[in-house]
Amino acid sequence: DVKVTQSSRYLVKRTGEKVFLECVQDMDHENMFWYRQDPGLGLRLIYFSYDVKMKEKGDIPEGYSVSREKKERFSLILESASTNQTSMYLCASSLSTGTSPLHFGNGTRLTVT
Amino acid sequence: DAKTTQPNSMESNEEEPVHLPCNHSTISGTDYIHWYRQLPSQGPEYVIHGLTSNVNNRMASLAIAEDRKSSTLILHRATLRDAAVYYCILRDSLRSQGAQKLVFGQGTRLTINP
Repeated sequence: DVKVTQSSRYLVKRTGEKVFLECVQDMDHENMFWYRQDPGLGLRLIYFSYDVKMKEKGDIPEGYSVSREKKERFSLILESASTNQTSMYLCASSLSTGTSPLHFGNGTRLTVT
Repeated sequence: DAKTTQPNSMESNEEEPVHLPCNHSTISGTDYIHWYRQLPSQGPEYVIHGLTSNVNNRMASLAIAEDRKSSTLILHRATLRDAAVYYCILRDSLRSQGAQKLVFGQGTRLTINP
């Protein structure tokens, strides 16, 4: 089975801190994704990567950046955390074909105080 | 991108079949129908997908209407562990994954009564 592992289940950070969320997948998938999930808003795509060092903005990239130096690892960076970035963050991976299913991690619940 | 419509919530009893409907009247010929579910405190989990024919796997069955404007996810014998939010989404086989901006929407919250 594909495993997508997010480094932290819960995280509490202060406003203005730089925050790193790490995600690792073990199935050699080309694509990796970062979503955030908020009540009433569903899942929203932040960033997407289809190859090492390649990235594309999703629907809500403002305030975030990403890094993909190795195929198995995709990092989400909050340059200067703000309270409106308090959310559940979900990482996913998939093969490159258009209909391949996404495999999700169990999420990181980030609270910014 | 074509959208889907699902009921906000459904309720069923343990060990009974559950039929979760999804409408997708603007589906295009290259759109696959995918279902995911999200258990409490977990990330979404892939369930099943199909194009035209009905599909079965160990988790569920997917029944697709002949005109493809609707589909139904069937859990043959629900257990308490099937209580989750179920999402029906469309994936275009001709477009790259990033370009599709996958939209999960609100899904159907399924409650299973013991």
